[in-house]
Amino acid sequence: EVQLLESGGGLVQPGGSLRLSCAASGFTFSSYAMSWVRQAPGKGLEWVSAISGSGGSTYYADSVKGRFTISRDNSKNTVYLQMNSLRAEDTAVYYCGKGGGNYGWSGFDYWGQGTLVTVSS
Amino acid sequence: EIVMTQSPATLSVSPGERATLSCRASQSVSSNLAWYQQKPGQAPRLLMYGASTRATGIPARFSGSGSGTEFTLTISSLQSEDFAVYYCQQYNNWPRTFGQGTKVEIK
Repeated sequence: EVQLLESGGGLVQPGGSLRLSCAASGFTFSSYAMSWVRQAPGKGLEWVSAISGSGGSTYYADSVKGRFTISRDNSKNTVYLQMNSLRAEDTAVYYCGKGGGNYGWSGFDYWGQGTLVTVSS
Repeated sequence: EIVMTQSPATLSVSPGERATLSCRASQSVSSNLAWYQQKPGQAPRLLMYGASTRATGIPARFSGSGSGTEFTLTISSLQSEDFAVYYCQQYNNWPRTFGQGTKVEIK
């Protein structure tokens, strides 16, 4: 059974940093791309970042480029999102998503339960 | 960036009736389109990928169609558990983008 478990969310001041983690199990982690998707309170879904199975390719939404960094440790079956220079508009539930299809580039077939990040003074 | 536009924003349907949701892309995404269902307080769930392929465990009352820029998700006979928000998402280009969602509510 595929499981994704996010952690690391919390309250942080504007300009601060936070690192999210997503621990995966139930599939060959290194074979699939992984993504982070966020959802601001009462709003829709916004894709944030993706990383290939090997970690060699990374992609970012313009809204987070230069501030967020995605990485993965395939020995620990974990993907991370380092978030720096946080802004109020980064407040959201952050979901970890497993890429679907071959290599994980076809949508997101499994999602974690989400972790809430609140940026406020 | 490819803009995904869903219509209508809200769809009021009676149980047992058919629901038709639309998704339009600002440029062609071929068949690289997914649909998700999200219920309050829950993570999204993949319904369809490749525009028309049901994900594992998704009932046959859900069907998807379209390619290029116009896509449709049809729920043939709405069950109580189908009342939720539905999102389309393209995975043809970076950045990946979602539609704003269609809320299917009980009429």
